[in-house]
Amino acid sequence: KNEVEQSPQNLTAQEGEFITINCSYSVGISALHWLQQHPGGGIVSLFMLSSGKKKHGRLIATINIQEKHSSLHITASHPRDSAVYICAVSKGRQLTFGSGTQLTVLP
Amino acid sequence: AAGVIQSPRHLIKEKRETATLKCYPIPRHDTVYWYQQGPGQDPQFLISFYEKMQSDKGSIPDRFSAQQFSDYHSELNMSSLELGDSALYFCASSTDQTQYFGPGTRLLVL
Repeated sequence: KNEVEQSPQNLTAQEGEFITINCSYSVGISALHWLQQHPGGGIVSLFMLSSGKKKHGRLIATINIQEKHSSLHITASHPRDSAVYICAVSKGRQLTFGSGTQLTVLP
Repeated sequence: AAGVIQSPRHLIKEKRETATLKCYPIPRHDTVYWYQQGPGQDPQFLISFYEKMQSDKGSIPDRFSAQQFSDYHSELNMSSLELGDSALYFCASSTDQTQYFGPGTRLLVL
């Protein structure tokens, strides 16, 4: 079993829909990261969470430490949100990555 | 704002050749991380450096070595390249737990 599990693996949505991507982890962590990877490979860090909730624009990330679960929400989705969203956990200074969720937002 | 710089962005090598990838962290970042992402795979942590000393080691093959220099830039040296080394190699830098990723070097081994 992977230490970091994401669901769904693939997600197709219509523009404007509310999107949720889930991440569960099985190990003790110091922080959880949500990353965005666009075609061509560049990775952008969206959030780093150790508790509670963070919001940036249309993106919201939550984490429940007791349940070892985090969610990434996108409100009013847009085709430019299409990317791979990766959950990664840090133990010390290294990251362990989930397999990513391929999001496609259709116009 | 300055970002993490990696060079080269693309590299083509033949089997058994050597390659050197370079990473220039964001100014004043003291930690550098290297990751390898094979085609269709999750990124895998290779190695990290804090204040020019190796701090963590992941799944880095013995054929690879890395170091961080006095100006905090880092180099990943890869020898006896194999076809399976074809991947996207990311560098990231940080001062705390937020890692800022470079654009990656795409290595193709023929």
